[in-house]
Amino acid sequence: GAVVSQHPSRVICKSGTSVKIECRSLDFQATTMFWYRQFPKQSLMLMATSNEGSKATYEQGVEKDKFLINHASLTLSTLTVTSAHPEDSSFYICSAGGAVGTDTQYFGPGTRLTVL
Amino acid sequence: AQSVTQLGSHVSVSEGALVLLRCNYSSSVPPYLFWYVQYPNQGLQLLLKYTSAATLVKGINGFEAEFKKSETSFHLTKPSAHMSDAAEYFCAVSVRTSGTYKYIFGTGTRLKVLA
Repeated sequence: GAVVSQHPSRVICKSGTSVKIECRSLDFQATTMFWYRQFPKQSLMLMATSNEGSKATYEQGVEKDKFLINHASLTLSTLTVTSAHPEDSSFYICSAGGAVGTDTQYFGPGTRLTVL
Repeated sequence: AQSVTQLGSHVSVSEGALVLLRCNYSSSVPPYLFWYVQYPNQGLQLLLKYTSAATLVKGINGFEAEFKKSETSFHLTKPSAHMSDAAEYFCAVSVRTSGTYKYIFGTGTRLKVLA
């Protein structure tokens, strides 16, 4: 299957700072990328869907000014958590959409964010 | 509205025994269905997918799933469990809107394999 990377894998930051997480599709061009948040022992919660070159579509209840998503190229999407607070601590996972019509998503390994 | 229900948040089987993880879906259109596996502190790995071709789908690591429209089910099975199968398993249905799509995930089933 396709390979998706995330960087960093773990990040610890102080409250009030901003953190950027990168998601890259390494061997295919992803028109659509998705960002999820996963709480311990729970399922994945879709935060937003981003299409290359356009604004991201956020799910209800997700603050777009707090979670900035940029999808500048077909292989890179970034999630910036602005003014992070301890409640933003979580496991963030991105995925890249496969070929149109397959509806297949390929997931990155995730980023563990801890806000002190 | 489309949805996915995974019965049993925890399933335990003995090594070598049959693995059966249940997934039922609700969809007004022919669904695309997926099973993913997640190991601790990792992302999700695609096990298999149903996209309206053969109803019996074979995936990686010896897993397979059968799409049963009459039962609105897409249960995941493996004839003989290995210790390495211990993980969290998620069923998902793809929802298409306005030329794009997104997943609705089930709540997940944690599989424990007993020696």
